[in-house]
Amino acid sequence: NAGVTQTPKFRVLKTGQSMTLLCAQDMNHEYMYWYRQDPGMGLRLIHYSVGEGTTAKGEVPDGYNVSRLKKQNFLLGLESAAPSQTSVYFCASTQGRWDTGELFFGEGSRLTVL
Amino acid sequence: GQNIDQPTEMTATEGAIVQINCTYQTSGFNGLFWYQQHAGEAPTFLSYNVLDGLEEKGRFSSFLSRSKGYSYLLLKELQMKDSASYLCAVQDSNYQLIWGAGTKLIIKP
Repeated sequence: NAGVTQTPKFRVLKTGQSMTLLCAQDMNHEYMYWYRQDPGMGLRLIHYSVGEGTTAKGEVPDGYNVSRLKKQNFLLGLESAAPSQTSVYFCASTQGRWDTGELFFGEGSRLTVL
Repeated sequence: GQNIDQPTEMTATEGAIVQINCTYQTSGFNGLFWYQQHAGEAPTFLSYNVLDGLEEKGRFSSFLSRSKGYSYLLLKELQMKDSASYLCAVQDSNYQLIWGAGTKLIIKP
């Protein structure tokens, strides 16, 4: 049982380059989320999805795009990377609304933008 | 604005008890969560409180007072493997999770 899998685990980009982070979950969860985690700050929600084909903006969506074409996959894209997007990115999923009690997180993707 | 406050760092001794506090000010309240995060790893769920009182789960307990906007996580019989960051998160009226910055717990032998 893999749970939530993120790829790649590490990536170094130059300013202006683009990339996509892939999140895959095998728990048949409806809800999926992308967070970023920076030192001294709480997890911040970038975008989320409440089901296949749906996406919504979170707290810090600027500079990111997402897609949920398949229920098990949630992609996070950076069209033109900036140094401010250097961070650790976590994908998470849950079966229902937030009140189910437990988010399942991927292992994280560490992105450095030079 | 919405705010979650927890201490940045705490130190405790192996075998002892430690209490990590979390205070919050949010737009509504639909539950409070505690997660554990070891360095370089993903957060993992520890507890969920929605009603006032104490929830016990093995060596870990979590307390909630909604009227005071306050929670604590109590860790007993500390082990070296408990060295980690502990994240407090509150669900607001829109069921959005607001996260604290986390408390780094250092366990000394």
